[in-house]
Amino acid sequence: EAGVAQSPRYKIIEKRQSVAFWCNPISGHATLYWYQQILGQGPKLLIQFQNNGVVDDSQLPKDRFSAERLKGVDSTLKIQPAKLEDSAVYLCASRAGTSEETQYFGPGTRLLVL
Amino acid sequence: QQQVKQSPQSLIVQKGGISIINCAYENTAFDYFPWYQQFPGKGPALLIAIRPDVSEKKEGRFTISFNKSAKQFSLHIMDSQPGDSATYFCALPKRPGNNRKLIWGLGTSLAVNP
Repeated sequence: EAGVAQSPRYKIIEKRQSVAFWCNPISGHATLYWYQQILGQGPKLLIQFQNNGVVDDSQLPKDRFSAERLKGVDSTLKIQPAKLEDSAVYLCASRAGTSEETQYFGPGTRLLVL
Repeated sequence: QQQVKQSPQSLIVQKGGISIINCAYENTAFDYFPWYQQFPGKGPALLIAIRPDVSEKKEGRFTISFNKSAKQFSLHIMDSQPGDSATYFCALPKRPGNNRKLIWGLGTSLAVNP
């Protein structure tokens, strides 16, 4: 079974530029999460999708971050414009459904904003 | 906001020793207690998890101990190996079913010296 795929793996941009990350979850997984992980900290949930609907985006900085999961499969997370403090690893995770607790993570995208 | 307090922040253990990581929480209404393991450059992966109807669960060298009265759950790594060097996160669930999300601890960086 293929795992969660993310791209790109690394990205370096200058502040005020825009950037987009892509995630392809495990086939059949209805729930998709985007996390931000700053060095030395635990993952912070940015947005959670159930199929193509948003369940939780309470910690998403909506003035600069956006995310979509149009067909209920893969998802993109965008930052526009980026700030220095957005430098972090962006993790995507998926989960099968109600009876399955485990979140399966991709390798993450490491973003550096200069 | 429910919180999870993880300790220690970092841990150095000799090969063959026992590693112990603790998590404390403030609310008793949790039904699932997972530990995730993260290697550098990788996303977290579920290591072991426990439900509150049991006080201990063992999988190989890894054991979760759950103390409901103290509102704590701990990860014990017996016969620690250099390959166990990683960051370990405890997490607490919020919301049931498909809307489930996890609140993460800050992580414990474990180094096992050969």
